[in-house]
Amino acid sequence: QVQLQQWGAGLLKPSETLSLTCAVYGGSFSVYHWTWIRQPPGKGLEWIGEISHSGTTTYNSSLESRVTISVDTSKKQFSLKLTSVTAADTAVYYCARGKTGDYAHDYWGQGTLVAVSS
Amino acid sequence: EIVLTQSPGTLSLSPGERATLSCKTSQGIISGYLAWYQQKPGQAPRLLIYGASNRATGIPDRFSGSGSGTDFTLTISRLEPEDFAVYYCQHYGSSPLTFGGGTKVEIK
Repeated sequence: QVQLQQWGAGLLKPSETLSLTCAVYGGSFSVYHWTWIRQPPGKGLEWIGEISHSGTTTYNSSLESRVTISVDTSKKQFSLKLTSVTAADTAVYYCARGKTGDYAHDYWGQGTLVAVSS
Repeated sequence: EIVLTQSPGTLSLSPGERATLSCKTSQGIISGYLAWYQQKPGQAPRLLIYGASNRATGIPDRFSGSGSGTDFTLTISRLEPEDFAVYYCQHYGSSPLTFGGGTKVEIK
């Protein structure tokens, strides 16, 4: 049984750095890529980026200048950092399993609401 | 970037009726890398269909996907009470992955 469990700070001030981590339980860590997706309140889904077990990353160009996704294979965890947040970054952030060009996102974390407010 | 346009925005139907949701893409989707997700309030999206027409594990056979190129369809043959939700299509063939704006299936 595959489970993704995520955690991180839920309230930030403008210009701070968003930091979230997702732990993977069960299944293969090397076959898939590990993804972050976000959803502003009442809106649709936006792909942020993904990372392979070896650390190869692909980012959405709209966020690339502020995003870093990293992986700790020994712990089966991956993390998201988003710098210089603004109110526009307020969203539920999800981690998920998938792989561009191969696999759709079949397992998701529970989601973390990150609110940016002064 | 491939833009996905879903229609209609809202579908008002009764339990037992058939639902037909459309997803049109701005470019052809290679190798059918088109997925459909269901999302209920306060929950993460749930994968229903991958590869345009393959049901994900545990998905009832009342859900079916079809289409190719730039036109894709999700059909729910007979709506059950638990099917009223928002549905998103997604292409995952190349970066950036993108999602459609969603179709809300609501109880009439």
